[in-house]
Amino acid sequence: KQEVTQIPAALSVPEGENLVLNCSFTDSAIYNLQWFRQDPGKGLTSLLLIQSSQREQTSGRLNASLDKSSGRSTLYIAASQPGDSATYLCAASPYTGGFKTIFGAGTRLFVKA
Amino acid sequence: DVKVTQSSRYLVKRTGEKVFLECVQDMDHENMFWYRQDPGLGLRLIYFSYDVKMKEKGDIPEGYSVSREKKERFSLILESASTNQTSMYLCASSFLLQANYGYTFGSGTRLTVV
Repeated sequence: KQEVTQIPAALSVPEGENLVLNCSFTDSAIYNLQWFRQDPGKGLTSLLLIQSSQREQTSGRLNASLDKSSGRSTLYIAASQPGDSATYLCAASPYTGGFKTIFGAGTRLFVKA
Repeated sequence: DVKVTQSSRYLVKRTGEKVFLECVQDMDHENMFWYRQDPGLGLRLIYFSYDVKMKEKGDIPEGYSVSREKKERFSLILESASTNQTSMYLCASSFLLQANYGYTFGSGTRLTVV
């Protein structure tokens, strides 16, 4: 059974720092891995999606990598800003179909001005 | 822009009421999902649907039902609301073969049952 773990659960950094959020999964047979951002009391906003055949995706200051063999994905945020403060979740979709996508519990990020 | 719209941001209902949560998507997605999100428990799948009139139970279907009469609309029904159903409810949609595009979520409905 797929398990997705995100460590740390919470992170506080000063503005301008580069940071890495971690996501690990137990079953490497994934279709894709998706990173989301969630602001308090809001829904999830998709940030990046990495297909199983890809190793990384980039969008602006965000870079997500995928290493299926080690069961890991990282979300790199460059030059963090207070507006980046949110909870970041990763989700792994198995080959058996998107119905059993497993979400991590998230990392709560606070960027101090 | 892909849009998944949940009809209410906040709802307060009384115990025993029948509650309808509505979700509409405009991207012709085959799959639609209902999750609930609770502190410490993360996202838990209640029901999903991969086609009109088709539905499948997720991990926590008890106390809920769903309806999908049209492709763009997926409704979650709480037959008799209870206080333990107080939660954030999130609707999502995706293409059937969603490897390239992933999930799109609505903005959520915060339901309080008193």
